[in-house]
Amino acid sequence: EADIYQTPRYLVIGTGKKITLECSQTMGHDKMYWYQQDPGMELHLIHYSYGVNSTEKGDLSSESTVSRIRTEHFPLTLESARPSHTSQYLCASRGEWDRGRLIYTFGSGTRLTVV
Amino acid sequence: GQQVMQIPQYQHVQEGEDFTTYCNSSTTLSNIQWYKQRPGGHPVFLIQLVKSGEVKKQKRLTFQFGEAKKNSSLHITATQTTDVGTYFCAGQAAGNKLTFGGGTRVLVKP
Repeated sequence: EADIYQTPRYLVIGTGKKITLECSQTMGHDKMYWYQQDPGMELHLIHYSYGVNSTEKGDLSSESTVSRIRTEHFPLTLESARPSHTSQYLCASRGEWDRGRLIYTFGSGTRLTVV
Repeated sequence: GQQVMQIPQYQHVQEGEDFTTYCNSSTTLSNIQWYKQRPGGHPVFLIQLVKSGEVKKQKRLTFQFGEAKKNSSLHITATQTTDVGTYFCAGQAAGNKLTFGGGTRVLVKP
């Protein structure tokens, strides 16, 4: 049973298009994160949020932007997609003492291909 | 800033054999977590270690947190094809930030 949802699961889009990757969680978590990951490789933190109206850039520079207007929703937007943006984008949330543990829950990811 | 390194980056293991992957932090950690990502999937939480010297077992997986709380290890016995995937450690120092290691990619030869 998924508590964090990402859509779309797969996306193929042309260069220059604007896209928004959706991420929603039903756990009421304040902390949410976006990671970029090439297949089988490291997780690179590109954005995070500690609550509504709070967003920060992560360790890896990214041309994407995020917003956090509602606790449960943390969309990521690329204003003008380029082939270099082709990757998997993983959204995660982290709860304070989620079932007694402080853990990350990841969404299933969006595999983005820019042609 | 805090760095978390994992070795080896790749682990090729014969089915039935044991292996260990290691995680080292540049700073003392308050806790360390391990995640497993199957090929084509997303990371899934496995376990959290909090206490110095802590050892936890999950079936064939044994997790250990170092005495100095700067390193951790994952030991898998009698490797099976279902163990294929990437294992990430993630260390939390003081504050909220959790830093992921680069992962160990495990390939099992039948």
